Amino acid sequence: ETGVTQSPTHLIKTRGQQVTLRCSSQSGHNTVSWYQQALGQGPQFIFQYYREEENGRGNFPPRFSGLQFPNYSSELNVNALELDDSALYLCASSLSWGGGEKLFFGSGTQLSVL
Amino acid sequence: RKEVEQDPGPFNVPEGATVAFNCTYSNSASQSFFWYRQDCRKEPKLLMSVYSSGNEDGRFTAQLNRASQYISLLIRDSKLSDSATYLCVVNQGGGNKLTFGTGTQLKVEL
Repeated sequence: ETGVTQSPTHLIKTRGQQVTLRCSSQSGHNTVSWYQQALGQGPQFIFQYYREEENGRGNFPPRFSGLQFPNYSSELNVNALELDDSALYLCASSLSWGGGEKLFFGSGTQLSVL
Repeated sequence: RKEVEQDPGPFNVPEGATVAFNCTYSNSASQSFFWYRQDCRKEPKLLMSVYSSGNEDGRFTAQLNRASQYISLLIRDSKLSDSATYLCVVNQGGGNKLTFGTGTQLKVEL
């Protein structure tokens, strides 16, 4: 039990729709990262939020956006869903954003785009 | 070339066997290194950090060779419960961005 919770656990959407995924970080953690894991692949870094500001982004298009709230919980928004967006979306929280920090992952949201 | 490369396996081994996984990374400026374990479609869990001096945690031994940009994980006396996917992970610097390999699947059999 990592103390990181994600909702919903599963979601089915159709192409072109928009989706919002939510993450509550572990108590005291001010940094949240989001990862996308396609079937048979390792997780891919989407972006990171530190104290409500995005401070790192992977190779994902602008239709992937996020928010972090004053309580450090976070949202991942994906617009104009594509079939290839079907994946497990993982949220991870950490005490800070310095490299080498231990990440605590939530159990993920499985998104299926039809 | 992929940033982190692993043999996807699967590695099918009998209980009690010793198995080794290898991983290479492309960015020589990478700063920290880890092995994560992931059970089927669940979240990755940190198994151990990897240091140049090598480190051991029970039946697990990890090693880093910076000159060759190579990371290894050795599992001794394999248990059925070790069956999982093992992810080689590199922090290339700049926050908590982790670069994961595709994972190596291990199946330990009776």
